[in-house]
Amino acid sequence: DAGITQSPRHKVTETGTPVTLRCHQTENHRYMYWYRQDPGHGLRLIHYSYGVKDTDKGEVSDGYSVSRSKTEDFLLTLESATSSQTSVYFCAISESVGSAYYEQYFGPGTRLTVT
Amino acid sequence: DAKTTQPTSMDCAEGRAANLPCNHSTISGNEYVYWYRQIHSQGPQYIIHGLKNNETNEMASLIITEDRKSSTLILPHATLRDTAVYYCIETGGYQKVTFGTGTKLQVIP
Repeated sequence: DAGITQSPRHKVTETGTPVTLRCHQTENHRYMYWYRQDPGHGLRLIHYSYGVKDTDKGEVSDGYSVSRSKTEDFLLTLESATSSQTSVYFCAISESVGSAYYEQYFGPGTRLTVT
Repeated sequence: DAKTTQPTSMDCAEGRAANLPCNHSTISGNEYVYWYRQIHSQGPQYIIHGLKNNETNEMASLIITEDRKSSTLILPHATLRDTAVYYCIETGGYQKVTFGTGTKLQVIP
């Protein structure tokens, strides 16, 4: 299994509070991603990173920010959590050559509940 | 954005071949078809990918039509552990991929 960990694995927080989820990899892969998964929607891309300090938005980026100060860590922040952000969050990593897509490896997920 | 179309759900008898179809009519010449699966609440797992030739690995086979507008993932001898949601995606030649809702495969004893 690819070396990907997510923390915390479960979190319950109140509306309006800031929340940061962490993804850590030991594979030295260039690309890292954050997805959310909700019933009926499959996996939707929030943000991804193509290198240290290089990030881009996915299809559901509103309300989320990310940072990547080291190759191994990719942080997802909800500045002010809302109930609509209750979801399961998955981190993924992949290697790359140029702009080609390579298979992604996923972490175990973080279940976030916003009350 | 590139989109694929898959049946919502399928059943397969244990020990039989499971054939999961996917339509990717908007695929362009340099885009690959990738398959993943997600068992229960775990993170998705890569299965196989292909461009235009059929591919086989230890997990599955991938058959891509000549016009590349559809493909079939084949699990040759389905087991109960193959019960999962299977995702077919077409790559945009770039990393900005999103997964659809996939096919929920139920393997029946």
